[in-house]
Amino acid sequence: DTGVSQDPRHKITKRGQNVTFRCDPISEHNRLYWYRQTLGQGPEFLTYFQNEAQLEKSRLLSNRFSAERPKGSFSTLEIQRTEQGDSAMYLCASSPSANSPLHFGNGTRLTVT
Amino acid sequence: KNQVEQSPQSLIILEGKNCTLQCNYTVSPFSNLRWYKQDTGRGPVSLTIMTFSENTKSNGRYTATLDADTKQSSLHITASQLSDSASYICVVSAWGNDYKLSFGAGTTVTVRA
Repeated sequence: DTGVSQDPRHKITKRGQNVTFRCDPISEHNRLYWYRQTLGQGPEFLTYFQNEAQLEKSRLLSNRFSAERPKGSFSTLEIQRTEQGDSAMYLCASSPSANSPLHFGNGTRLTVT
Repeated sequence: KNQVEQSPQSLIILEGKNCTLQCNYTVSPFSNLRWYKQDTGRGPVSLTIMTFSENTKSNGRYTATLDADTKQSSLHITASQLSDSASYICVVSAWGNDYKLSFGAGTTVTVRA
């Protein structure tokens, strides 16, 4: 399967714990995006990488959130000191260029108890 | 503020029938408009992408239209199948900000036998 893969698919954690999600984009795609989606809503932009450079971060991305893309390949999204409001589906997408369709992974569903 | 509004919020149709979903946007300057299909618990999958100069584009039984003057788009599903049950999301991109897409909340379509 050469699509975008995300790991884990599901994560249940207690409030205050740290969690880290991984995204492996399609190998030839230099653009990588993270989104957050809650029930009944469209995805909300979190951050964007072009190769290894993080070019944009949403105001939604508080200082508890950090994302990296070392070497311009896979990416990680870490949430520190999780809160119940962080419960959502976290989606990763990649694309080869501007104005190309985004290819989404199937997301990591986070539940904070 | 760039916004994308979709209607209806949800609809139920019988298998074999047609339906049309609507998308209105205020994104400016306009670059392109995309329709995605999202099955429950999975990431969105691209159906169509249209630029300013295109007013219709088809992908199998899915046909999207775009009126850039009135800033409206529609997605028509022909001869619906049970597998068409999903959320359909309208996404608009602005020039110069192609990585920060504006997502609608989606229309949930349920196809019944």
